[in-house]
Amino acid sequence: GDSVTQMEGPVTLSEEAFLTINCTYTATGYPSLFWYVQYPGEGLQLLLKATKADDKGSNKGFEATYRKETTSFHLEKGSVQVSDSAVYFCALSRGGNTDKLIFGTGTRLQVFP
Amino acid sequence: GAGVSQSPSNKVTEKGKDVELRCDPISGHTALYWYRQSLGQGLEFLIYFQGNSAPDKSGLPSDRFSAERTGGSVSTLTIQRTQQEDSAVYLCASRPGIQETQYFGPGTRLLVL
Repeated sequence: GDSVTQMEGPVTLSEEAFLTINCTYTATGYPSLFWYVQYPGEGLQLLLKATKADDKGSNKGFEATYRKETTSFHLEKGSVQVSDSAVYFCALSRGGNTDKLIFGTGTRLQVFP
Repeated sequence: GAGVSQSPSNKVTEKGKDVELRCDPISGHTALYWYRQSLGQGLEFLIYFQGNSAPDKSGLPSDRFSAERTGGSVSTLTIQRTQQEDSAVYLCASRPGIQETQYFGPGTRLLVL
């Protein structure tokens, strides 16, 4: 069945460091891909998404490119801030009637000053 | 405007008791989802409602779990005879239409003693 695999955390970085969180997926067809973020004490928020191959989603300095050939959707940011500390979830949806989200296990990011 | 709201925010119950969790979706959103976030299983889909269509219950883990959505708006997730493994954060999400972003509520944290 469909699945999403994320790198395990926690990822610990100093402020202004470069961030990569790896995400790969297994799915037939052409799923839509998402990154959701969960800040401490808050609910899940959509960070960015891409709906077809080679699309790049971007928001708040974060980017991810939908790579069909490597079935990947890695999250990157050029310079992280302390306020980026959160748990990041990669997810896919197959569309169709339900369009449910299938999530990875989440990666905790800790950014220190 | 108002986001997805859930109540209660926290619930502590004794093993064997029944619990009801409530979700108020964003006004006008036709689709509603329940997910569960637990340490052992990550984020997993439970059930999906779309308008007047029959719900997709494929993610419910056992027949102790049920959900209803009244008047196409508010939804209640009921867990009967709770077990310790039911302890988790229960998340509700809604979306306005087909192939649109899901918006998540803050969740209900359930602890079964």
